[in-house]
Amino acid sequence: GNSVTQMEGPVTLSEEAFLTINCTYTATGYPSLFWYVQYPGEGLQLLLKATKADDKGSNKGFEATYRKETTSFHLEKGSVQVSDSAVYFCALSDRTGANNLFFGTGTRLTVIP
Amino acid sequence: GAVVSQHPSWVICKSGTSVKIECRSLDFQATTMFWYRQFPKQSLMLMATSNEGSKATYEQGVEKDKFLINHASLTLSTLTVTSAHPEDSSFYICSAEMGGTEAFFGQGTRLTVV
Repeated sequence: GNSVTQMEGPVTLSEEAFLTINCTYTATGYPSLFWYVQYPGEGLQLLLKATKADDKGSNKGFEATYRKETTSFHLEKGSVQVSDSAVYFCALSDRTGANNLFFGTGTRLTVIP
Repeated sequence: GAVVSQHPSWVICKSGTSVKIECRSLDFQATTMFWYRQFPKQSLMLMATSNEGSKATYEQGVEKDKFLINHASLTLSTLTVTSAHPEDSSFYICSAEMGGTEAFFGQGTRLTVV
């Protein structure tokens, strides 16, 4: 079956620190992989995605590379800001669209000045 | 991006009563809406998929008579938790998409049943 295992939080970092949030997956076939972010009081927003092996998704300084050999899609950012404080969800879709998403548990990131 | 509004953001109800949660796509017509549920420290779990004008498709293990979903228009879907019990307390999130494109999420509703 399909599942996503995500690094547990919470994660607290100082501003300008390097961020890694680990995500591994189990899937049948060739899934698409996503990172969503939820800022306080808002809905989940798509942060980045990758649809095939070795693709790198990137947005707002965040990056994640689809690694089929390690079934991973780790989220990284070189220098976090206070405004990056949010909950981050890793997800996969086993279809071509964004429907039927399988989510990780979410990782809360707090960035302190 | 497109906006999906979910209402209410939080609700407390007594055991045995019913609660309705609304999910609206504000600036686009949603052909499909999804309802998710998240327990503390667990993943979001898809409960059901609804298409405008047709019956919702429920995931295995989700009671359709308990979680009534209505998708009467292209901009509104409702989830009604009937005869709520404390174990129904959870975080409910909807998402909407148009024609198989990116899904847009509401901000979620925290339901507490006392």
